[in-house]
Amino acid sequence: AQSVTQLDSHVSVSEGTPVLLRCNYSSSYSPSLFWYVQHPNKGLQLLLKYTSAATLVKGINGFEAEFKKSETSFHLTKPSAHMSDAAEYFCVVSETGRGGADGLTFGKGTHLIIQP
Amino acid sequence: DAGVIQSPRHEVTEMGQEVTLRCKPISGHNSLFWYRQTMMRGLELLIYFNNNVPIDDSGMPEDRFSAKMPNASFSTLKIQPSEPRDSAVYFCASSLALGGGNQPQHFGDGTRLSIL
Repeated sequence: AQSVTQLDSHVSVSEGTPVLLRCNYSSSYSPSLFWYVQHPNKGLQLLLKYTSAATLVKGINGFEAEFKKSETSFHLTKPSAHMSDAAEYFCVVSETGRGGADGLTFGKGTHLIIQP
Repeated sequence: DAGVIQSPRHEVTEMGQEVTLRCKPISGHNSLFWYRQTMMRGLELLIYFNNNVPIDDSGMPEDRFSAKMPNASFSTLKIQPSEPRDSAVYFCASSLALGGGNQPQHFGDGTRLSIL
């Protein structure tokens, strides 16, 4: 069975400062991991994905995440926050090798607040 | 490229009425997912299809909910009769599932459903 835990329900940072959104996962198989962003009244948009290639993954809008198997973590970072980054962020795990359709397990989300 | 298209964007109706939500997946995608999002429960997977066949409907709340996918380019989620507790945002997502678990899902903008 797979699961994902987002360690913070809310994160508040000042514009121009670094962003860190934390995610831990558990998986019985080799996981694929994703980060999605959801802006108000919109659907979820893929930020980046890890699929067993490079452990440091770069995504859109300056975000990146590092897969650390020993820590079962996949934290999302950005060097400098922008007001437009204010949104809900979801960490998602999928188990490679399960076969069949690709079901995803979503974290409960982290609400990112950007202070001017 | 056209993304996942959902209609209507907003629906307000009285309890007891039938509600039909519609989804057009991205052309070429072979998996389709219906989710429900509420503040209390977060994002919940209701049902998913692979090659137009329902694979897992264990997330469907009760018999009042039904989903169909008559062809590769169209799916419906129906609630009959509707109840106030069904009020939520309903998302449709599609992906090109290859059985490896590493394909991201692409989300529509959702249908905001309010049952009075």
